[in-house]
Amino acid sequence: DAKTTQPPSMDCAEGRAANLPCNHSTISGNEYVYWYRQIHSQGPQYIIHGLKNNETNEMASLIITEDRKSSTLILPHATLRDTAVYYCIVRVISGGGADGLTFGKGTHLIIQP
Amino acid sequence: GAVVSQHPSWVICKSGTSVKIECRSLDFQATTMFWYRQFPKQSLMLMATSNEGSKATYEQGVEKDKFLINHASLTLSTLTVTSAHPEDSSFYICSARDLATGGWVNTEAFFGQGTRLTVV
Repeated sequence: DAKTTQPPSMDCAEGRAANLPCNHSTISGNEYVYWYRQIHSQGPQYIIHGLKNNETNEMASLIITEDRKSSTLILPHATLRDTAVYYCIVRVISGGGADGLTFGKGTHLIIQP
Repeated sequence: GAVVSQHPSWVICKSGTSVKIECRSLDFQATTMFWYRQFPKQSLMLMATSNEGSKATYEQGVEKDKFLINHASLTLSTLTVTSAHPEDSSFYICSARDLATGGWVNTEAFFGQGTRLTVV
C-alpha cells in the first residue's frame, strides 16, 4: 500500500470547517483513499473513502485531487467531539482483499471551544 | 453501520498468567478478522489476521506461540496473551469487514472498542 503523509497536529475552532490534508503521491491507480479517526481510548471509526471522485456522507467530505496525489478530509462544522486522531490510509485492491490496514501516525485534530 | 464488540474493555492481570480477549461481529459474518496493538502515543500496528476455520497469519515480529488466535465461528475470534509480561501491556483492538457488502474491495473495516491490558 502507498505511503501517506499527514501533519502531526492541527487546531480548529468549534463550528468552523476542519480541513485535514493527506499526501499520497505514490498512490496507484487501483488504490482507494480511506479515512478513519480514533477518539482517545476507543477503536478507530470509519469516516469515508473514495477512489477518484469527491465523496460526501453524513460525517464528512473527501476531496481528491485530479492527479490523486493528495486528498483533503473536510468536517464541515467541527464540534468538540470531533477531537481525535485522523488517519488517511490508501489500500490496494487485491483479489482476495483480506488485508489489514496500515496506520500511519495520523493527524491529531484538536477542536478549540 | 455494522457492530464489532470486544470483551473485556479492560483487564489487569498478574505477570505470568494468560488473558483471553474476545472479538465478536454482532450483526454480520466475518470469515476474517484482524488484531491490532497500540502502545501509548503510538499508532495501531497490525498483529495478525484471523481466519475462520484455519490458522491465523501473523505479522513479522509477532510471536504466534505467545499470542494465540482462535477463530472458531464466523462471528467470534479470540486472542489469548499467554504468559503475560508487563511489556505486553497495551491497547488491543480487533476489526472485521462485512462480507455481505460486496466482499473485501471497497468496504470499510469495523473496529471493536478495544481492550486495555495491564500486566502487573
